[in-house]
Amino acid sequence: DTAVSQTPKYLVTQMGNDKSIKCEQNLGHDTMYWYKQDSKKFLKIMFSYNNKELIINETVPNRFSPKSPDKAHLNLHINSLELGDSAVYFCASSRGQGRDTEAFFGQGTRLTVV
Amino acid sequence: AQSVSQHNHHVILSEAASLELGCNYSYGGTVNLFWYVQYPGQHLQLLLKYFSGDPLVKGIKGFEAEFIKSKFSFNLRKPSVQWSDTAEYFCAVNAGSGGGADGLTFGKGTHLIIQP
Repeated sequence: DTAVSQTPKYLVTQMGNDKSIKCEQNLGHDTMYWYKQDSKKFLKIMFSYNNKELIINETVPNRFSPKSPDKAHLNLHINSLELGDSAVYFCASSRGQGRDTEAFFGQGTRLTVV
Repeated sequence: AQSVSQHNHHVILSEAASLELGCNYSYGGTVNLFWYVQYPGQHLQLLLKYFSGDPLVKGIKGFEAEFIKSKFSFNLRKPSVQWSDTAEYFCAVNAGSGGGADGLTFGKGTHLIIQP
């Protein structure tokens, strides 16, 4: 079974549309994240949730809204998509809040805005 | 805020060559350090991690890294690379006061190409 799964794997959409990416982890982890990987492969954290509570919200436009219905799921909704939102979005999870835990990543969602 | 710098953005080696990828971080306190690998079209996988104890850590696929606190470095090494090691390699640090929930700060990655 896939530990961290994201859907869809590929998403092509037009500017101005609203889209969602879903993420689920079956590892029993308490903390989940969204990372963005740009065209130069640079990875940056966007959001962090612990037990459904938002912990980190980096400088991300408010068009991006994470939703955590339970601690196994962290979805990312994006409103009014822009060309610059094209990237690969990775969901990840880790056990607890301790620093000495590794993050497990999903397969990524390649978003292309045209 | 912490930052991570990887010195080599592109590295090309022949099979059986030795590998060393540099990673330096900036943070004065306790850190946890990671190397992740991303094979073409795939997600990130953990190669190895350092939390405490022996500064020389061994990971999967014959990789190892050495934490040198005085140099703020965590360089990745492999004595003999294989064609299948072609991938993107990321150094990352978790150093925030919020613990793991702060997430990882990544370096910009090193694109490694191994020529047969």
